[in-house]
Parts: sequence; structure tokens; C-alpha cells
Amino acid sequence: DQQVKQNSPSLSVQEGRISILNCDYTNSMFDYFLWYKKYPAEGPTFLISISSIKDKNEDGRFTVFLNKSAKHLSLHIVPSQPGDSAVYFCAASALSNFGNEKLTFGTGTRLTIIP
Amino acid sequence: ETGVTQTPRHLVMGMTNKKSLKCEQHLGHNAMYWYKQSAKKPLELMFVYNFKEQTENNSVPSRFSPECPNSSHLFLHLHTLQPEDSALYLCASSQAGGLSRETQYFGPGTRLLVL
Repeated sequence: DQQVKQNSPSLSVQEGRISILNCDYTNSMFDYFLWYKKYPAEGPTFLISISSIKDKNEDGRFTVFLNKSAKHLSLHIVPSQPGDSAVYFCAASALSNFGNEKLTFGTGTRLTIIP
Repeated sequence: ETGVTQTPRHLVMGMTNKKSLKCEQHLGHNAMYWYKQSAKKPLELMFVYNFKEQTENNSVPSRFSPECPNSSHLFLHLHTLQPEDSALYLCASSQAGGLSRETQYFGPGTRLLVL
């Protein structure tokens, strides 16, 4: 049973507009959430994270929103640029007994920015 | 070399072969991870090493055998694999146990095909 779900496998957005990627989770033990971006033939690259004590975190064009009661997070990219075209993975984490982040990933959303 | 490197990038092997995947991190981290990504599935954590000690084994079959000789190197030894083991194998590293939540940095992955 998937604990982290990205229900949209793909999304196309016009350049300059806002891209909104969504993620839902089921495990209430998750307390740290991350977004990774992946280009073909490369490994996932960390983009932005948010702790469960916050509801918003912003870094330049990227903002992550967390709604704990709905167990939902979203990534907003504005304005969208052609270089943002990639697969975006949502990950949720709980600390292991050894202090490691135990990441559970979604299946990803392929974002295509249309020039 | 910077970041996390993995070799080989592509590997084709028969079910009776023995091969090894190699990962090296140049970030001074103390934790290393193996993940598996099968087609249409999310990244799945396989193993975690902290300071060269294995701290997580996510119910991985014994035909996958990890080895961590030091904090910078991680191997995944493969023997008598099955075709369903064909996947992208990703290595990651992080600085675990600090005051802030950690970020995992990924290598580019090894694309494995078992015939």
C-alpha cells in the first residue's frame, strides 16, 4: 500500500505560468517532507523541504505548502521555465532509531513546460 | 569528482552471473543508502549504512549483498538475480545525526538488466 501518492503522472504548463504539483500521504508519523527533481539519466536532485511544524517554505521560484490535517502537500513553481521540465518526486520522512531519514517516495509527476 | 558517483552506469547480466555495483561519495557524509526503482514504481529503500555499519535492511533478498568498507564507498554485490530485479539502482549519501534534518544526495544510478 503506497503511503505517498502523486496522483498526476504528468502535467503540462505554459512557460511563465504557475506549476502546481500535488502529493498526498497516509502515515501520520511522517514529519518531514521533501521534493526532488530528476532529469533523464541523472539521479534525483534535492529541491526543497518542509518540516511538519511549518505550513509553507519558500525558496526563490519554489514554494512548498503543507496541510497536515488533509495530509497533503504541494509544490508551486512560479514562473515556470523550460528548464523546469523534469520528473518531480515527493518524499516523506520519519527518523529511524539511528537518526537517519527514512524516505518514502511517490511515483513522480512528469512536468513539461511548454515554451 | 564531486557529489555521488556510481559505476557502471549500465549493466546487463545473466541470471547465473556475479557482478558488483559501486558507489562513491565525495561529500564527507557519514551515511550511505541503496535504493531500487522499478518501472512505474516509487524508489524503494534497500539498505542503510551509518559509519560503515548496516543499520537498515528493508527485507531485501539475500541475492543482494551490500558492503561498506569505509564511509565514502558502498558496493552492492549481485548474484543469481532474477529478471524482475531489472531496475535502476540508486545510491545516496547524507550527513545523519546532526541538529537539522538531513538531505540525501543521489548518484546518477546504475540501470541493470537481468536476462
